[in-house]
Amino acid sequence: EVQLVESGGGLVKPGGSLRLSCTASGFTFSAYAFNWVRQAPGKGLEWVSFISSSSSYISYADSVRGRFTLSRDNAKDSLYLQMNSLSAEDTAVYYCARPVADYSTGLAYWGPGTLVTVSS
Amino acid sequence: SYVVTQPPSVSVAPGQTARISCGGENMGSKRVHWYQQHPGQAPALVIYDDSDRPSGIPERFSGSNSGDTATLTISRVEAGDEADYYCQVWESSSDPSVFGTGTKVSVL
Repeated sequence: EVQLVESGGGLVKPGGSLRLSCTASGFTFSAYAFNWVRQAPGKGLEWVSFISSSSSYISYADSVRGRFTLSRDNAKDSLYLQMNSLSAEDTAVYYCARPVADYSTGLAYWGPGTLVTVSS
Repeated sequence: SYVVTQPPSVSVAPGQTARISCGGENMGSKRVHWYQQHPGQAPALVIYDDSDRPSGIPERFSGSNSGDTATLTISRVEAGDEADYYCQVWESSSDPSVFGTGTKVSVL
């Protein structure tokens, strides 16, 4: 069974940093690209970042580029989202998600999400 | 950045057909995926690559994409289909992606 579990969320002050992790199981982690998607309270989905299977390509939404860094460790079946210079606008549930297949970008598998709250 | 527009809400009676649009310039040239989200839950993929259904998704869900509009069609709507629906657009796997604004489907 494919499972994704995010961790590392919590309360952080404006300007602070946080590192989210996503641990995967039930499939060959290194074969798939991954994405982070976030959802502010009561708002819609916002795509955040993409990383290819080999980390050779990484892309970011304009709203986080230069502040967030996505990486992966295929030996540990894990993703990491380093978030710096956080502001209230970054408050959201953060989901990691895996495509339905290696040839598609449709996100079929999602973790339960981890809540990041940026507040003084 | 690429702008994607969805109607805020769609209302449909049980057993009828719901159609949700996802509009953007030259949408037909891009890959579109559709997600269903019930309150308090993570999104669930219902259509990928314009018109493919993941395993476990009923045939009542279908998708199309041409011109400037992609469409999710839900046939024979059931009470459990009441949820928020989002389209997601990719130019290519190497380009940033964008979600639509979301459509709340209400079953009357």
